[in-house]
Amino acid sequence: DIQMTQSPSTLSASVGDRVTITCRASQSFSSWLAWYQQKPGKAPKVLIYKTSSLHSGVPSRFSGSGSGTEFTLTVSSLQPDDFATYYCQQYNSYPWTFGQGTTVEIK
Amino acid sequence: EVQLLESGGGLVQPGGSLRLSCEASGFTFSTAVMNWVRQAPGEGLEWVSAISDSGGSTYYADSVKGRFTISRDNFKSTLYLQMNSLRAEDTAVYYCGKDASMIPMDVWGKGTTVTVSS
Repeated sequence: DIQMTQSPSTLSASVGDRVTITCRASQSFSSWLAWYQQKPGKAPKVLIYKTSSLHSGVPSRFSGSGSGTEFTLTVSSLQPDDFATYYCQQYNSYPWTFGQGTTVEIK
Repeated sequence: EVQLLESGGGLVQPGGSLRLSCEASGFTFSTAVMNWVRQAPGEGLEWVSAISDSGGSTYYADSVKGRFTISRDNFKSTLYLQMNSLRAEDTAVYYCGKDASMIPMDVWGKGTTVTVSS
């Protein structure tokens, strides 16, 4: 199974900050990696798929990159609506696996 | 509008069984790979199971293999998760999700809560 490790677990930031979340895989795989945003009491929403493709309707301040075992989600300028928990997910092979999540808090 | 609506959650004793349903609308259900993902209280997301569009292929997390069975009825546009031998650690919100080609879960339901407790 591919294990996904996200860092940091918690991130304190201010509106306007550039924020980067990293996801490391226990083994290398091709670009089948997605990023989700989840707010309390709500279902997750996909932001990025196939490492760097922006899902329809997602603001362009979100971007994804990476390859092999290291992937990143970047928010270029954090907005009030972006304070949430973010998860990476590999869907290269079953069982699909998620990172443990990164909570972005208001500083 | 594409929608997924889960139901069937509730309180069950350890060792008991429960069947979750996920009714789909707004898209061609019979052509979509479908998934179940769960989230224990205060915890992260855990992928549980997936089923191919025809139902001919199924996949499970090790934590539920042999206890849970995923199935679908393409005529009723409904996904199911039969959960047997339930344990306290199966307590979670269970979400169904639709696969869209390169996007693993582009649409999620609102979730249904399963509580395993005596």
